[in-house]
Amino acid sequence: EAGVTQFPSHSVIEKGQTVTLRCDPISGHDNLYWYRRVMGKEIKFLLHFVKESKQDESGMPNNRFLAERTGGTYSTLKVQPAELEDSGVYFCASSQAWGSATDTQYFGPGTRLTVL
Amino acid sequence: AQSVTQPDIHITVSEGASLELRCNYSYGATPYLFWYVQSPGQGLQLLLKYFSGDTLVQGIKGFEAEFKRSQSSFNLRKPSVHWSDAAEYFCAVGAGNQFYFGTGTSLTVIP
Repeated sequence: EAGVTQFPSHSVIEKGQTVTLRCDPISGHDNLYWYRRVMGKEIKFLLHFVKESKQDESGMPNNRFLAERTGGTYSTLKVQPAELEDSGVYFCASSQAWGSATDTQYFGPGTRLTVL
Repeated sequence: AQSVTQPDIHITVSEGASLELRCNYSYGATPYLFWYVQSPGQGLQLLLKYFSGDTLVQGIKGFEAEFKRSQSSFNLRKPSVHWSDAAEYFCAVGAGNQFYFGTGTSLTVIP
């Protein structure tokens, strides 16, 4: 069974540009999460999809971030326009069950975003 | 508010030595606790989790963790470290629909 995959693995862009990150969850997992780790800090929750619906987007930093999950399969996270403070590692995770605290979340390898 | 503290940013141990990584959490209700490991180029892999019951939890790769409610701790241990254990370790508490992570502990293993 394939795990959670993320693309690209690295992205270097200039301030003001747009970047789109993609996450493919484990097949059959209704719950999809995005997290971000800024260098030296903790991994922080951004948002949670249940199928194609946004269940919780309380962690999204501002309206420059747009997440979508069309058809309830893969998800994209777009940053437009990117700012320096957006640099970090963006993780995607998926889970099969209820989207609750007891679910095991399976994480992808992350996308390292560098904004210059 | 929920939070997780991993006081050790970096730890170095010799191969074959024992290991303990510290984790303290702050959470008002029953905590659901997790330890993940991230090796270079890999995703976070679940080592073990605690929901209820026996406070000593066994995980993969020979790791175990002990939940101590009185100390709000969930420390990770391994009796004999292997070179392949060099990685970054994250403690997390599950609350609602999300995880709250600590800042991670980077483990170096020297021969």
